[in-house]
Amino acid sequence: TQLLEQSPQFLSIQEGENLTVYCNSSSVFSSLQWYRQEPGEGPVLLVTVVTGGEVKKLKRLTFQFGDARKDSSLHITAAQPGDTGLYLCADRPRDDKIIFGKGTRLHILP
Amino acid sequence: DTGVSQNPRHKITKRGQNVTFRCDPISEHNRLYWYRQTLGQGPEFLTYFQNEAQLEKSRLLSDRFSAERPKGSFSTLEIQRTEQGDSAMYLCASSLTRDTEAFFGQGTRLTVV
Repeated sequence: TQLLEQSPQFLSIQEGENLTVYCNSSSVFSSLQWYRQEPGEGPVLLVTVVTGGEVKKLKRLTFQFGDARKDSSLHITAAQPGDTGLYLCADRPRDDKIIFGKGTRLHILP
Repeated sequence: DTGVSQNPRHKITKRGQNVTFRCDPISEHNRLYWYRQTLGQGPEFLTYFQNEAQLEKSRLLSDRFSAERPKGSFSTLEIQRTEQGDSAMYLCASSLTRDTEAFFGQGTRLTVV
């Protein structure tokens, strides 16, 4: 059974600071996904990456996929209060269920 | 179409009672997933459907849990003889095909007292 470990579990930083959160898998990702979940809502897909070494940018968010396709990082530049939420990494196999990590709970202080 | 709809949003029930949740997926989405999420955890897979066929059930899904998707449209998740450990957020998601983006509903928060 694939296990996804995310670190840190919690992160509280001041608005304007930069941060990085990590995701490591016990096996090679089929298709790595990052989601953000706000309180009382379901997860919302941010990005999907499939190629080892791939880097994707979404405004102030930069997603990096490890060369061996077993790890990933999410970097946020100049964090804003609107970035607050639970960040989940997941594996999305082509014909199977989505497997989620436990998430990093991010709180941006104004 | 406003996305995946789940009802009710909140449910409080006494231990031992049965509860049923409903999920209406995005129109024409063939895949439908159920997940459970407890505080501080990521979503845990429960079961999923391809149209009306239930393809997989997690070991987490004891015999007290049953899910259906009649006619491949909406889905229901029933929990019989609820226990306090069943308290969680139950999330439903749908996708057009097996490898397209999954969209999640807002969830049903169950509290067993």
